[in-house]
Amino acid sequence: AQRVTQPEKLLSVFKGAPVELKCNYSYSGSPELFWYVQYSRQRLQLLLRHISRESIKGFTADLNKGETSFHLKKPFAQEEDSAMYYCALRSGNTPLVFGKGTRLSVIA
Amino acid sequence: DTGVSQNPRHKITKRGQNVTFRCDPISEHNRLYWYRQTLGQGPEFLTYFQNEAQLEKSRLLSDRFSAERPKGSFSTLEIQRTEQGDSAMYLCASSWGMDTQYFGPGTRLTVL
Repeated sequence: AQRVTQPEKLLSVFKGAPVELKCNYSYSGSPELFWYVQYSRQRLQLLLRHISRESIKGFTADLNKGETSFHLKKPFAQEEDSAMYYCALRSGNTPLVFGKGTRLSVIA
Repeated sequence: DTGVSQNPRHKITKRGQNVTFRCDPISEHNRLYWYRQTLGQGPEFLTYFQNEAQLEKSRLLSDRFSAERPKGSFSTLEIQRTEQGDSAMYLCASSWGMDTQYFGPGTRLTVL
């Protein structure tokens, strides 16, 4: 069964500090991994997907198949990064499977 | 087009009543998804449509739940004989094929 684990419910960092939001998955095939973000009072939106291999708002994520991880990183956190972050997985035509989410709080 | 819209945004009902939610996807999108999100959890897949065909349903979708997308445009999700455990945020998303899913603001259901 497909499963996404986000071990941290809440992550607090100071402005300017590096951020790493952890995501581990269980799936034996070739999954497609995503990070979604939900800012306060806004709808859920795609932040990035591993196949794009791009940096969005300074965030990057590398798929590590050996460790079955897709951690989200940013070298210098900004206050506007405070939000709820969800890691999600999909394989082929299957629906998205989401983790429980991590709330990032950036402290000024 | 202002994105995916959902109505109502909030619904309070008494246990045993029926409720219906509506989702209007982005107009050119052929796929429409329903998810449920409870407190402390990520969105959980319920069902999805490609055009008017309902292609997959989750085990979470009990017999009391039914979804339709009659003309391949808007969709409705009906819950019959609501239970307190149905209280959740119901999210709709749409996409063009396997491309990015765009989410609506959700309908928050409270069953008293």
